[in-house]
Amino acid sequence: DQQVKQNSPSLSVQEGRISILNCDYTNSMFDYFLWYKKYPAEGPTFLISISSIKDKNEDGRFTVFLNKSAKHLSLHIVPSQPGDSAVYFCAASGNTGTASKLTFGTGTRLQVTL
Amino acid sequence: GAGVSQSPSNKVTEKGKDVELRCDPISGHTALYWYRQSLGQGLEFLIYFQGNSAPDKSGLPSDRFSAERTGGSVSTLTIQRTQQEDSAVYLCASRQGLNYGYTFGSGTRLTVV
Repeated sequence: DQQVKQNSPSLSVQEGRISILNCDYTNSMFDYFLWYKKYPAEGPTFLISISSIKDKNEDGRFTVFLNKSAKHLSLHIVPSQPGDSAVYFCAASGNTGTASKLTFGTGTRLQVTL
Repeated sequence: GAGVSQSPSNKVTEKGKDVELRCDPISGHTALYWYRQSLGQGLEFLIYFQGNSAPDKSGLPSDRFSAERTGGSVSTLTIQRTQQEDSAVYLCASRQGLNYGYTFGSGTRLTVV
């Protein structure tokens, strides 16, 4: 049962354009959402997060949008840069007790072309 | 240490052998997690430690998998009688508390031949 879904395994975007990565979840108990970025042969690194009390969080070129009614979040990268090429994982947690573990999606491989 | 350290970085083992994977979390981080990523898959939760106890072992795929944590620090994930489907990258992460993000190690790539 995949509780966090990233339906696009890959995405190619031209440098300078906007990259939009999507994520859907099914568990209504999730109240905290994160995006991680992973380069080959490295562990995932935290990028940006959002609590369910918000619908938008911005950090520089990265913005995460949360639509609770649709159980959908997205990561926008503007403008995209070649160094953004990586696999992006969406993750969610209930943030309470033993639900503190993160549930990850399968990832979207972003390629930013020149 | 400055980051989460995992060893070995790569391990090739024969089917049926036992393997031990080690994780050194960031000093002072009380929570420690093990995940694995199989080819083409997302990060699959295995087990969570708070201190030396494991409140959530629900992700361990079979009784061939076990993990322990000693002194609230180093953790070892043991896979007995390895199978080819155990081949994956095993990732360890730690965090200071529930309100802090995970810091991941670089992982151990396990290949069972």
